[in-house]
Amino acid sequence: NAGVTQTPKFQVLKTGQSMTLQCAQDMNHEYMSWYRQDPGMGLRLIHYSVGAGITDQGEVPNGYNVSRSTTEDFPLRLLSAAPSQTSVYFCASSYGGLNYGYTFGSGTRLTVV
Amino acid sequence: AQKITQTQPGMFVQEKEAVTLDCTYDTSDQSYGLFWYKQPSSGEMIFLIYQGSYDEQNATEGRYSLNFQKARKSANLVISASQLGDSAMYFCAMREWGAQKLVFGQGTRLTINP
Repeated sequence: NAGVTQTPKFQVLKTGQSMTLQCAQDMNHEYMSWYRQDPGMGLRLIHYSVGAGITDQGEVPNGYNVSRSTTEDFPLRLLSAAPSQTSVYFCASSYGGLNYGYTFGSGTRLTVV
Repeated sequence: AQKITQTQPGMFVQEKEAVTLDCTYDTSDQSYGLFWYKQPSSGEMIFLIYQGSYDEQNATEGRYSLNFQKARKSANLVISASQLGDSAMYFCAMREWGAQKLVFGQGTRLTINP
């Protein structure tokens, strides 16, 4: 049982480059989310999805795109990387319902130079 | 909009002491869930404890308990008999019935001294 799998674990990008952070879960969770973690800021929600084909913006969506074509996958796209996007990115998934916590991936450490 | 506030950036306690980490929240939803997560230096996010807005009893999980005061909108985490392995970042989070997204506070870094 893999849980939530994020790839890559580390990435260095040059300013202006694009890339996709991959996230896959094998628990048949309807809900998936992307967060970024910066020192002193906690985890801030970038985008989230309540099911295949349905996505919505979180607190800090600018510069990021998402799509959810399957229940399992929720990739995060950086269209034109900026140094301000240097961060640790977490993907998480959950069943619907208040009493279900989100299960987190191991994170991707992204550096934009 | 839902909001979580953790006012203690850092806490230092002696091993074996009890520690309380503060969390206040704001929501207009009547149905919501409150969560605490632990993030050790290795970086993974570990779920600790859950409290539902309609739960009458405070949640407990081993050495962790949640002091839920609904009228004050607070959901403090209490760790009894702290251990060196409890040193980590701790995050309070809330999930509303409507949006179902999980929103986090800024976190508290707990350091346990031997």
